[in-house]
Amino acid sequence: GENVEQHPSTLSVQEGDSAVIKCTYSDSASNYFPWYKQELGKGPQLIIDIRSNVGEKKDQRIAVTLNKTAKHFSLHITETQPEDSAVYFCAAAGGFKTIFGAGTRLFVKA
Amino acid sequence: SAVISQKPSRDICQRGTSLTIQCQVDSQVTMMFWYRQQPGQSLTLIATANQGSEATYESGFVIDKFPISRPNLTFSTLTVSNMSPEDSSIYLCSVDSSDFSTYNEQFFGPGTRLTVL
Repeated sequence: GENVEQHPSTLSVQEGDSAVIKCTYSDSASNYFPWYKQELGKGPQLIIDIRSNVGEKKDQRIAVTLNKTAKHFSLHITETQPEDSAVYFCAAAGGFKTIFGAGTRLFVKA
Repeated sequence: SAVISQKPSRDICQRGTSLTIQCQVDSQVTMMFWYRQQPGQSLTLIATANQGSEATYESGFVIDKFPISRPNLTFSTLTVSNMSPEDSSIYLCSVDSSDFSTYNEQFFGPGTRLTVL
């Protein structure tokens, strides 16, 4: 069946450094790729997304890239801050189905 | 985006009992979704609930264990029946933007943290 693989499962960076999380998907019909941030005790919050007709999107310190040929997409966080510490989920959606990655726990050390 | 609230936010229950979780959305939506997130895990779709029809369950989930109601376009309930410790999870309500977009932007409620003793 369709799946989304996400790496790494845990990522620890120093404040100010960059963090990169990578995902691959299997369903060629996927055309929408959101990223969610989940803080402790809260539901996932959509932080950025990318659609299949673009290769890159940026919003302040976060950016996403998409390679449809290779079925890869990535989240880049620059100038990380302690408040970026959370679990991040990628997802691939097509039609009415959304498949989530396993999550990456990001620790930003002050 | 949609604003979603859930009640209760958390509960501790005895095995063999049932708990009903409520989900309220601030706008009318066709589809509502219920997810389970086991400790340290990703999100697993339990079922999709459309108003006026029976919920559609994903593989591994059955109506007898997780009955769902969808009485109108802004509200849904999920019941976790005959609970066991393995049901301890966060249960999340979600809606998507399919009513007004061709892309499935999903919005989540804050979750209900369930612990079964």
